[in-house]
Amino acid sequence: DTGVSQDPRHKITKRGQNVTFRCDPISEHNRLYWYRQTLGQGPEFLTYFQNEAQLEKSRLLSDRFSAERPKGSFSTLEIQRTEQGDSAMYLCASSFGLAGEGDTQYFGPGTRLTVL
Amino acid sequence: AQTVTQSQPEMSVQEAETVTLSCTYDTSESNYYLFWYKQPPSRQMILVIRQEAYKQQNATENRFSVNFQKAAKSFSLKISDSQLGDTAMYFCAAYLYNQGGKLIFGQGTELSVKP
Repeated sequence: DTGVSQDPRHKITKRGQNVTFRCDPISEHNRLYWYRQTLGQGPEFLTYFQNEAQLEKSRLLSDRFSAERPKGSFSTLEIQRTEQGDSAMYLCASSFGLAGEGDTQYFGPGTRLTVL
Repeated sequence: AQTVTQSQPEMSVQEAETVTLSCTYDTSESNYYLFWYKQPPSRQMILVIRQEAYKQQNATENRFSVNFQKAAKSFSLKISDSQLGDTAMYFCAAYLYNQGGKLIFGQGTELSVKP
């Protein structure tokens, strides 16, 4: 069991560019979550998938953000036309959950995005 | 709004001593789960302990234990025999059924264990 992995670990980009992050969950985990964490704050929920279905999106996830989880395996988070306010740590978590259960989420190391 | 509050931004403790981190939450639900996560400097977040709201018994995990007061909506973490490796940011989080699958996190408490 290799845990949740994320790639890249660090990304520096210029304002207006598009960026894409990847998350590989723990194998056989059916749920995958994306959170955003700014310096000194707790993570904030962005979106989550159960298998390949995107079940919930936060209002924080503007039209510039899109997430996919094809075939219910890895997931990608894309930010278009990045802004300086997008600078943050983007965390991915996965869990094995059944409806109505408080599944434990396991986090990856995160991707730190810096928008210049 | 459902919220999780950690009122202690920073705490410090001497090695081998005991420290308690506070957390309060606000929900009208009767079923939920509470978690403490640890995030060491520049390292990933890991689960410390988990508590089901329907269980009256406080969860324990080696040197870590919680004091879960459901009526008061309080969920504190006690770390016994503190070790240097316990130095980290600690986050309290709640999983609420009517909030879908997401965790709602507090602002965090930065704990420093001093030799």
